[in-house]
Amino acid sequence: QKEVEQNSGPLSVPEGAIASLNCTYSDRGSQSFFWYRQYSGKSPELIMSIYSNGDKEDGRFTAQLNKASQYVSLLIRDSQPSDSATYLCAVNFGNEKLTFGTGTRLTIIP
Amino acid sequence: GAVVSQHPSRVICKSGTSVKIECRSLDFQATTMFWYRQFPKQSLMLMATSNEGSKATYEQGVEKDKFLINHASLTLSTLTVTSAHPEDSSFYICSARGQAGGDTQYFGPGTRLTVL
Repeated sequence: QKEVEQNSGPLSVPEGAIASLNCTYSDRGSQSFFWYRQYSGKSPELIMSIYSNGDKEDGRFTAQLNKASQYVSLLIRDSQPSDSATYLCAVNFGNEKLTFGTGTRLTIIP
Repeated sequence: GAVVSQHPSRVICKSGTSVKIECRSLDFQATTMFWYRQFPKQSLMLMATSNEGSKATYEQGVEKDKFLINHASLTLSTLTVTSAHPEDSSFYICSARGQAGGDTQYFGPGTRLTVL
């Protein structure tokens, strides 16, 4: 069974620090990886997609992919209280669907 | 770009009635749309995948006769919850994927359904 795993948290990070969110997946052949942010009571919004090994940066966000280790992470630099949300990792296992992890709840402490 | 809308945002209905939820891609053509359900403090659960002009593919355990999905055009998909019961109360979210966006899914704002 193809699975995406995340630590459910909660993860508490002081304001201004780096928040590190991790995700592992079960299928080494996966090609597409996504991070979504979901505020309480709202729908998910796309933060980043990543397809190749290495780092991809977008503003304060950096996604890191290591296909050999089946690991994808999201770093948030200079964390702000507005970053407090649940972060969902999603993987395309080669079909048209995305498989989501259960999400990591992140709290930024002022 | 890649804006997806849903209507209504919130609906309250009596048990036994049917509710229709619309999902529209506003600035792109969505070849595929997805319908999810999310209960409080739980993750997204994919209900079905719909491709324009063809029948939806339902996930295991989702009753296709209860959750009717129509994807009549490249910008509109509808989900009808038939004979709704209190246990159908949930947050229903659609997402859309267009050819230009590869396999990225863009989510609508969701519809909160409460069945009394």
